Amino acid sequence: NAGVTQTPKFQVLKTGQSMTLQCAQDMNHNSMYWYRQDPGMGLRLIYYSASEGTTDKGEVPNGYNVSRLNKREFSLRLESAAPSQTSVYFCASSEAKLGGTDTQYFGPGTRLTVL
Amino acid sequence: QKEVEQDPGPLSVPEGAIVSLNCTYSNSAFQYFMWYRQYSRKGPELLMYTYSSGNKEDGRFTAQVDKSSKYISLFIRDSQPSDSATYLCAMSGNQFYFGTGTSLTVIP
Repeated sequence: NAGVTQTPKFQVLKTGQSMTLQCAQDMNHNSMYWYRQDPGMGLRLIYYSASEGTTDKGEVPNGYNVSRLNKREFSLRLESAAPSQTSVYFCASSEAKLGGTDTQYFGPGTRLTVL
Repeated sequence: QKEVEQDPGPLSVPEGAIVSLNCTYSNSAFQYFMWYRQYSRKGPELLMYTYSSGNKEDGRFTAQVDKSSKYISLFIRDSQPSDSATYLCAMSGNQFYFGTGTSLTVIP
């Protein structure tokens, strides 16, 4: 039982390049989330998926797109990376939909630098 | 006003001390309260989970919720160097909110 896995662990991009961050969970959770974590800002929700086939914007969705490929996998895409997207990205999953009687389980993170 | 406020610290204590970490919140709809621990360069891991008001104890850790004051606390007894980490509070009602985290260092 690996929990939540993320790839890659580290990435350096040039401004304007695109990339996809991958996330998978093996806990049969319904909901999945993408956060970014910046110093002094805490965790900020980018997008979430309450169930397979649905996605919704979080607090900071601009510049990102997501795909809930199936129940296990939730990817985050940067179409044209900007230096402001330099951050640590965390994927999380939970059994129920956002809020409620739920706790979230996190992956190890992807450290992204945009030059 | 932020939904959840947490003092970022940093907090530095000697080994064996009792540590108190706190968060305040503004939304009275929150019913579920959590504490996460995040070691350097790792993802947050769930430490404790409490529903509504009251106390919950797990080993050296005690979580306290006071809904009347909109205040939650995490106490760590007999703190150890391995407790050095950032502690994030989180709470949910209709949505999920995290505090910004408190950095704790326990000095041997």
